[in-house]
Amino acid sequence: AQKITQTQPGMFVQEKEAVTLDCTYDTSDQSYGLFWYKQPSSGEMIFLIYQGSYDEQNATEGRYSLNFQKARKSANLVISASQLGDSAMYFCAMRGETGANNLFFGTGTRLTVIP
Amino acid sequence: DGGITQSPKYLFRKEGQNVTLSCEQNLNHDAMYWYRQDPGQGLRLIYYSQIVNDFQKGDIAEGYSVSREKKESFPLTVTSAQKNPTAFYLCASSDGHLNTGELFFGEGSRLTVL
Repeated sequence: AQKITQTQPGMFVQEKEAVTLDCTYDTSDQSYGLFWYKQPSSGEMIFLIYQGSYDEQNATEGRYSLNFQKARKSANLVISASQLGDSAMYFCAMRGETGANNLFFGTGTRLTVIP
Repeated sequence: DGGITQSPKYLFRKEGQNVTLSCEQNLNHDAMYWYRQDPGQGLRLIYYSQIVNDFQKGDIAEGYSVSREKKESFPLTVTSAQKNPTAFYLCASSDGHLNTGELFFGEGSRLTVL
């Protein structure tokens, strides 16, 4: 069964600095996908970035990049040049077991950007 | 604009009452999902539906029921059998290809049992 672990309940970062949010996973599937979502205080979930298990390049989307280390089963999110609007909960998620069309989520990390 | 609409945003219920949360999407997505979010526990899957008139139980389906009579609608009923229904409920949809595509979420419904 899939398992997603986010060990940082809360993180602080100075505005304009970079921050790394940790995510480790466990799966027996050879093919899988990893996702990161942002949840501001309004409650909606905003998709940030996706990494496929066979993608050789680390995914990047603007200020977001995914540090994918397959052998270590980690998929850390790096946010560069943090902005006050980045303050939110961040969730790592994994696509379900082969044939399943759903996502499993970690417990999240609350990021606070300090002016 | 295309998106997912959940209603109501806030809902209060007395113990023993059933309540239904609405979820409508105009993205023409095949798959729809219901997740429950509790503090410190992330999101947990209640039910999902990949096509009309078909749905599957997720990890915490007990005490919940769904229907999928139309492609754009996936209502969730929280029954009196759900022992701890106070939570934040999120509806999502996808084009059915989670290999590369993501889930699109509504803004959520917060249910409080009095």
